[in-house]
Parts: sequence; structure tokens; C-alpha cells
Amino acid sequence: NAGVTQTPKFQVLKTGQSMTLQCAQDMNHNSMYWYRQDPGMGLRLIYYSASEGTTDKGEVPNGYNVSRLNKREFSLRLESAAPSQTSVYFCASSRDRGIGYEQYFGPGTRLTVT
Amino acid sequence: QKEVEQDPGPLSVPEGAIVSLNCTYSNSAFQYFMWYRQYSRKGPELLMYTYSSGNKEDGRFTAQVDKSSKYISLFIRDSQPSDSATYLCATLKTSYDKVIFGPGTSLSVIP
Repeated sequence: NAGVTQTPKFQVLKTGQSMTLQCAQDMNHNSMYWYRQDPGMGLRLIYYSASEGTTDKGEVPNGYNVSRLNKREFSLRLESAAPSQTSVYFCASSRDRGIGYEQYFGPGTRLTVT
Repeated sequence: QKEVEQDPGPLSVPEGAIVSLNCTYSNSAFQYFMWYRQYSRKGPELLMYTYSSGNKEDGRFTAQVDKSSKYISLFIRDSQPSDSATYLCATLKTSYDKVIFGPGTSLSVIP
């Protein structure tokens, strides 16, 4: 039982390049989330998916898109990376949207945009 | 004003000490309060959550919420070097809302 997995672990992009961060969970959870973590800022919600087939914007969605590929997988895409998107990205899941207080996090992807 | 504030530390204590980690929040509508532990270069891990006011205990960890002063605390008894991590407090108004995280307090427990 791997929990929440993320790939890649590290990535360096040049400004303007695109990439997709992958996330998968094997806990049969309905809800999945993408956060970014910056020093002194705390975790901030980028997008979430309450259930398969739905996605909604969080606090800082600009510059990102998401796809809920199936119940297990939720990807985050940067279409044209900017230095301001240098951050650590975490995917999380919870059994349901209504149990947002019990989220399980992946190990993170460290992204640097030069 | 940030919705949830924490002293970033770092906080350094000797092994065996009682540790007190604290957060303040601004919105009296918050009802759920969580503590996450995050080891260096790892994802956050839920330690415990409480609903409304009161205390909750889990082993060496006790979470306390004082809604009258908008203050949440995490106490760690008999602290161990393995407790060295960043501790994030978090809150939400209802179980369906987005979670608001504090920036975290870095704790080092020195053997």
C-alpha cells in the first residue's frame, strides 16, 4: 500500500517550458488536491478534485491546469513555466470532500524554474 | 493579517523536554483544527485533528483548542530526537472547506 505517490521527485525547467506533475493514490479516495509550499507561506491549494470527473480552482490556480484522469490519478500541468512557480508541489487525497480535515500527502515534487 | 499564524522557530529543546507549539487564527468560524508533522524533504503527515474546543490526546501528543482566544496548541511530552520536524497547524470552517495551513514551526530535539 504505497499511499500517495508523485513523479518526478525533482525537476528543473527553463522559463516557458511545460511539464506535467503526476500523482496517484491507492487508498480508493474520492478527493484529491494539489498544493504548493513556499518558505514562510504555508501550503496553498492550487486545484482540487472532489470526485472523479470534477475539478475546481483553489487559492492560487493561475498558470496551472489539472486533469482527473480516473479515480486514482490527478495530474498538474504547467503550460508555460515561470520563475514564480519555483516551489515544492504536494499532492494529497482524502476519502471524501467532506473529510477535508484528514488528508494524506505525497512526498512532493521539487520544481525549479530558471 | 494571515488567517493562521505560527512562530517559525526554530525551536530547540533537549531530549525529554515538554514541547509547546502554538498557532493563532483570525476567523472565529473555524471549527476543525489539525496538526501535521513534516520531516525534512517529505510530505506532511496528519498527527491529529480536533473539532471545536477542547483537548485531544494521542500517546505523547496533546492538541488543545481555545476558541475564546483563537489559540491552538500542540504539546509533546518526553520529546525524542525523532520528533525533530516542522509542525504545521491547519484549520477549516466546515469539513467541506479548503484547509488553511500555517507556515509551520521548525522543532529540533537535541539528544
